[in-house]
Amino acid sequence: SYVLTQPPSVSVAPGQTARITCEGDNIGSKSVHWYQQKPGQAPVLVIFYDSDRPSGIPERISGSNSGNTAALTISRVEAGDEADYFCQVWDHNTDHAIFGGGTKLTVL
Amino acid sequence: QVQLVESGGGVVQPGRSLRLSCVGSGFTLTSYAMHWVRQAPGKGLEWVGIIWFDGSNTFYGDSVKGRFTISRDNSKNTLYLQMNSLRVEDTAVYYCARQQKANRAPFESWGQGTLVTVSS
Repeated sequence: SYVLTQPPSVSVAPGQTARITCEGDNIGSKSVHWYQQKPGQAPVLVIFYDSDRPSGIPERISGSNSGNTAALTISRVEAGDEADYFCQVWDHNTDHAIFGGGTKLTVL
Repeated sequence: QVQLVESGGGVVQPGRSLRLSCVGSGFTLTSYAMHWVRQAPGKGLEWVGIIWFDGSNTFYGDSVKGRFTISRDNSKNTLYLQMNSLRVEDTAVYYCARQQKANRAPFESWGQGTLVTVSS
């Protein structure tokens, strides 16, 4: 089955830019969705179809997808961005949802 | 506004059954594909299964196929997850989620989750 690989952790200082990657075989041919999850809370959709933002998500959160790597970029990182981030795609063969293992973003 | 509220979690012994519920408000369940997603303690998200918007089909992840069943009661706008032959590894927070109306769409709304603990 299709596998998505994320780094377990990313650390960044406030005001800097965080980039969280999601690797998969030819992931650029798929649509990637990203979710933010804070401790004790349900996931929240922050990026869909590679780079679209739901209403209420700030413009400093963006997404890209090409080749074997999708990425979530958070500019001007704030303390409130500290959370776990998960990428997700649909497996075209099984129509099952596939999640990456998640990346913990730490704001130093 | 859209709201999903899960209930029914608890502690259950291995091999026993449990049924989770997810009540939707602010929208009609029959207009959307609905899913269950789970998260083991300290772990990532795992897709459990889907019921199509018209209820005509259900599909499941490999780890629960043959043991779990998704259904719904349209009159109560409620989604269910019947879990049979529970295993210790089924211990997780279970979320219901609404899928956006489009092909390969994301999960746009989530409930707060309900914790299932399988332990002897």
